[in-house]
Amino acid sequence: GDSVTQMEGPVTLSEEAFLTINCTYTATGYPSLFWYVQYPGEGLQLLLKATKADDKGSNKGFEATYRKETTSFHLEKGSVQVSDSAVYFCALPNNAGNMLTFGGGTRLMVKP
Amino acid sequence: ETGVTQTPRHLVMGMTNKKSLKCEQHLGHNAMYWYKQSAKKPLELMFVYSLEERVENNSVPSRFSPECPNSSHLFLHLHTLQPEDSALYLCASSHRFYQPQHFGDGTRLSIL
Repeated sequence: GDSVTQMEGPVTLSEEAFLTINCTYTATGYPSLFWYVQYPGEGLQLLLKATKADDKGSNKGFEATYRKETTSFHLEKGSVQVSDSAVYFCALPNNAGNMLTFGGGTRLMVKP
Repeated sequence: ETGVTQTPRHLVMGMTNKKSLKCEQHLGHNAMYWYKQSAKKPLELMFVYSLEERVENNSVPSRFSPECPNSSHLFLHLHTLQPEDSALYLCASSHRFYQPQHFGDGTRLSIL
């Protein structure tokens, strides 16, 4: 079945550091890929998405590129802020589109 | 304003109580979802509804009973819960399958 693997956290960075959170997946076909973010005390919010191979999703300074050859969708940001502290989830839909398979989440902590 | 509102935000109940969680979406979406988020476990999909018809039940115990009276409202009825059911319960909606899901802020449930 489909699966998503994320690097385990927590990831602790200083403000303005470069961020990479790895995500790899196994799936049938070429599904859309999503990154969600969960801030403390809130639900998940869609951060960015990519719908086909080589697409780059971007939002709020975050980027991720759909790499079919390595089945990866790594999240990157060039300069993190304290306000980026949250849990980040990589996800993909199943073939029927009625379920999302989530990775285990990666907690990011950014220190001033 | 997330567009998906969950009430109550916090709920403490005994194992013999009966309570209900409510979810309301103001986005005109046709699909709604219940998730369970426990500490140190991946996000678990519980139920999926499309146009008020249940299309997915992920082997959830019968002590959880969903209800979708219309496309804007989703309930989760709870009875005789166990301590391991303590978790954050998240509701989500999407315009249709394959589209990104929009999440509420969740109900934090504690079973005494």
